[in-house]
Amino acid sequence: EIVLTQSPATLSLSPGERATLSCRASQSVSSYLAWYQQKPGQAPRLLIYDASNRATGIPARFSGSGSGTDFTLTISSLEPEDFAIYYCQQRSNWPYTFGQGTKLEIK
Amino acid sequence: QVQLQESGPGLVKPSETLSLTCTVSGGSVSSGPYYWSWIRQPPGKGLQWIGYIFYSGSTNYNPSLKSRVTISLDTSQNQFSLKLTSVTAADTAVYYCASGPRSGRGDHWGQGTLVTVSS
Repeated sequence: EIVLTQSPATLSLSPGERATLSCRASQSVSSYLAWYQQKPGQAPRLLIYDASNRATGIPARFSGSGSGTDFTLTISSLEPEDFAIYYCQQRSNWPYTFGQGTKLEIK
Repeated sequence: QVQLQESGPGLVKPSETLSLTCTVSGGSVSSGPYYWSWIRQPPGKGLQWIGYIFYSGSTNYNPSLKSRVTISLDTSQNQFSLKLTSVTAADTAVYYCASGPRSGRGDHWGQGTLVTVSS
């Protein structure tokens, strides 16, 4: 089973700042990595699929990069609604797995 | 736009079978190539992909749950379902149904339903 390790566990930033979230895989997942946003009491929402493709309706301030084992989600300028938990997920090998999450909180 | 809605009992006794249904609107469970998945999240914890079914009916289950899980399609009702047998407290979680045009992509999610395993 591929293990995804996200860092940092918690990121404290202010609106308008740039956020950089990392996800490292225990073995190569090629480009088969996605990023989700989850707010309290809600289902996860797909932001980025296959490492760098924005899902339908996702603002351009969200971008993804990376391949192999190291991936990054960047939020260029934080909006108040962006403070949430972010998960990475791989679909390279079954079973598909998620990282443990990065909590993005308001500083 | 595909929309998903989970339904089923919120409380299940230990050793019994958990049964949930996901009703699909805005799309057909029998039209391809779409994958229909179940994912769960224990309270305050991370996400686990339970398994998925392809529109053709082929399935794939998480090895950690494989002996207890069945996912099936009901094309007449435009639904897919999850059965998890011999449940324990460790199966207490919010259960989500999800779907996507590629295996392992969660483009669309239901709102989730909390299932508690307790006597």
